[in-house]
Amino acid sequence: DVKVTQSSRYLVKRTGEKVFLECVQDMDHENMFWYRQDPGLGLRLIYFSYDVKMKEKGDIPEGYSVSREKKERFSLILESASTNQTSMYLCASTYQGAAYEQYFGPGTRLTVT
Amino acid sequence: GQQLNQSPQSMFIQEGEDVSMNCTSSSIFNTWLWYKQDPGEGPVLLIALYKAGELTSNGRLTAQFGITRKDSFLNISASIPSDVGIYFCAGRYNTDKLIFGTGTRLQVFP
Repeated sequence: DVKVTQSSRYLVKRTGEKVFLECVQDMDHENMFWYRQDPGLGLRLIYFSYDVKMKEKGDIPEGYSVSREKKERFSLILESASTNQTSMYLCASTYQGAAYEQYFGPGTRLTVT
Repeated sequence: GQQLNQSPQSMFIQEGEDVSMNCTSSSIFNTWLWYKQDPGEGPVLLIALYKAGELTSNGRLTAQFGITRKDSFLNISASIPSDVGIYFCAGRYNTDKLIFGTGTRLQVFP
């Protein structure tokens, strides 16, 4: 069964903290994505990766960085968390050339206080 | 970044009613997709459309790829309580990236 897991379902951090969100997929997918979901704005792409050590900026990369050292793992890093980064973060993965079959993790609801 | 206009934003309906929602874009797409997100979960793919004019069904769900390639529609017939959730459209044009709509939140009352 297809599986994308995210390290935490809920996270509370303080302003200025460095935050790591981890995503792991067990489907040998080449592409992995990080989205942010906010009410009324849908899903917005932060970063994506199409191979190990490769990354590309999405629509809203400011304040975020990513790391992909292994094919199955894609990390989202908030270098210095701010309150406007309070949101639901969703990770997804897919085979290359099959973007329509994006498999999503359950999401991490991050609150920055 | 580009976003799709999805409407309505929310719907409150009675069990058994039919539901319609749509998505429009200023750009053309090669693929239209519809996802459903249950409360507390990630989105799950419902229907994928690959050709202008295509009409595809998945149980009580029917989706259409607009003839202009700039819009898509999703209909749910005879709604049931487990249809509750957020429905997202997404479009794709020649890349591995998807552009998502803003979502339609559906509530079904018994």
